[in-house]
Parts: sequence; structure tokens; C-alpha cells
Amino acid sequence: DARVTQTPRHKVTEMGQEVTMRCQPILGHNTVFWYRQTMMQGLELLAYFRNRAPLDDSGMPKDRFSAEMPDATLATLKIQPSEPRDSAVYFCASGLVQGRGADTQYFGPGTRLTVL
Amino acid sequence: DAKTTQPPSMDCAEGRAANLPCNHSTISGNEYVYWYRQIHSQGPQYIIHGLKNNETNEMASLIITEDRKSSTLILPHATLRDTAVYYCIVKDDKIIFGKGTRLHILP
Repeated sequence: DARVTQTPRHKVTEMGQEVTMRCQPILGHNTVFWYRQTMMQGLELLAYFRNRAPLDDSGMPKDRFSAEMPDATLATLKIQPSEPRDSAVYFCASGLVQGRGADTQYFGPGTRLTVL
Repeated sequence: DAKTTQPPSMDCAEGRAANLPCNHSTISGNEYVYWYRQIHSQGPQYIIHGLKNNETNEMASLIITEDRKSSTLILPHATLRDTAVYYCIVKDDKIIFGKGTRLHILP
């Protein structure tokens, strides 16, 4: 049963530290999404990649957040420096997009980040 | 911004059908209607999607009105495990989540 995996599942860090979250998309999927969820804002799309190229990162604070796909099996989301307002659950999702047809996103279990 | 409107919460008795409505009056011709749900502390889970025709799978049925301006997700026999937030999404290229409907299944 193919699944999206995310590491770490929980992360507690202090303000100013660098945080790296990792995602392994489902093998064969060509699109990867990063979302952030907080009680106040709900689920927000931060960025997404297709065929490893960034398509849209307009939802991401550029000064401290960066997202990359070093290869097809790994996506990373980095925060440097981290701030308490970054505390949230970060979800990765992957999907297979072919043309303009429908595609389904499969979500990972999330990384719960707490910045003190 | 999300292109859909959903009631913030609904109750349904266990064993009954849960009918979750969604309005998407600005939907365009090539946009699909997707439904996801999120059970507490888990990642969102895909349920079903459709373009024009009604759809059914092992989890639910999706009824889309002829003018495509609204749809209803039907869980035919709701159980306590169906308690979750249900998101109706109109998708072009990327999925934008709104606030969804919090469904409470009552024993």
C-alpha cells in the first residue's frame, strides 16, 4: 500500500534554529505539495512542484522558507530561522497529473512543528 | 481563496445517510469537484471527485447538479469513524482548502 511518508513526525525547536522537514512522495507521482495547517488559518498551500520543478510558491514566506526536490524521491521544506509563529502541522502530498485531467492528492501524516 | 461554500457543521445519526452540501456557483467548465476529509490529527484523505456526472465509490456518492453550481456528498450509512471535517474543493490546477464542514456522527 503506497503512502507518502514524512519525517520527522514531531519537532520541537527553539526560535532561531533551522528546521528541515522531509517528504517521500509515492513512487511514480510527478507532483508534490506542501501545506501548513493551524487552527487559525486552516490548511494553506505553501508550494508545489511538478516533475521536480517549482510551479508555485506564492503561499510561502520567501525570507525564511525554502522548498526543494533534490530528486524524485525526496522533497524538503526548510525554515531558517524559525519563529514561534511557524508552529503548525506541515503536510506533504503527492499526486500524478497527466494533462488537464483530474488528479488525486495523497497526503502524508504530517510533521508537527513547535517553535519555542 | 476557496471557491466553495459549505455549512460549518452538521450532525447525523449513526447508521443514517449523511448528506453534505456544497455550493460552487463560480465553477468553470473544466474544474472538477473534489471531496476530502480530515479525521482529527491525520492528513486529509481523498474521498471522491467528479466533473459532470454523478459518481459512486466504496466510500461515498457524489451528486452534482445539472448546472454544476452545487453538489452533495452522500455517506450512505454513517458510522462514528466518519466523524471528520469534510472539504469540498473546486480544483483547476491546485487544491485550495476552505474551512469545510465538521460532521458529527451521533451514537
